Amino acid sequence: AQRVTQPEKLLSVFKGAPVELKCNYSYSGSPELFWYVQYSRQRLQLLLRHISRESIKGFTADLNKGETSFHLKKPFAQEEDSAMYYCASRSYNQGGKLIFGQGTELSVKP
Amino acid sequence: GAVVSQHPSWVICKSGTSVKIECRSLDFQATTMFWYRQFPKQSLMLMATSNEGSKATYEQGVEKDKFLINHASLTLSTLTVTSAHPEDSSFYICSARDGQGGNSPLHFGNGTRLTVT
Repeated sequence: AQRVTQPEKLLSVFKGAPVELKCNYSYSGSPELFWYVQYSRQRLQLLLRHISRESIKGFTADLNKGETSFHLKKPFAQEEDSAMYYCASRSYNQGGKLIFGQGTELSVKP
Repeated sequence: GAVVSQHPSWVICKSGTSVKIECRSLDFQATTMFWYRQFPKQSLMLMATSNEGSKATYEQGVEKDKFLINHASLTLSTLTVTSAHPEDSSFYICSARDGQGGNSPLHFGNGTRLTVT
């Protein structure tokens, strides 16, 4: 079964510090991995998808199939990065349903 | 860009009553929509997959008689919480798939906060 694990419920860093939000997945096939962000009182927004291999708002994430990980990184955190971050996986042969991890709250202090 | 509208944004109802939540794709057709439930600062739990013109597929542990889903058109899916109880209080979010394939983009609604008193 598809499963996404985000081990950290809360990550607190100071502005300018590097950030890494961890995500591990378990799936026997080849899922598509995503990172979504939810700012306070706003809807869920797509941040990154692994097939795009792009950097959004300074964030990057590399799919590591050997470690089944898709960690989200940013070299210098900003206060406006404070939000809930969700890692998610999707499998094409299960109707494309998106399964979310537990979420990590990122708090960037001034 | 593609927009998904959910209505209402929030609703308060009394125990025992039913509440209907609408999810509309505004500028695209969505043969498939997904309904999620989210508790504060917790994950989005997939409740069901809603398919236009056919029965919804519910995830394990979700009561299909309690959470009725109707996807009568290509732009509208509804979730009805029947005989609501306080434990049904939660944030309900829908997402709509823009396209037929399993890898088509998903767009999320703004969510509906349900409070059952």
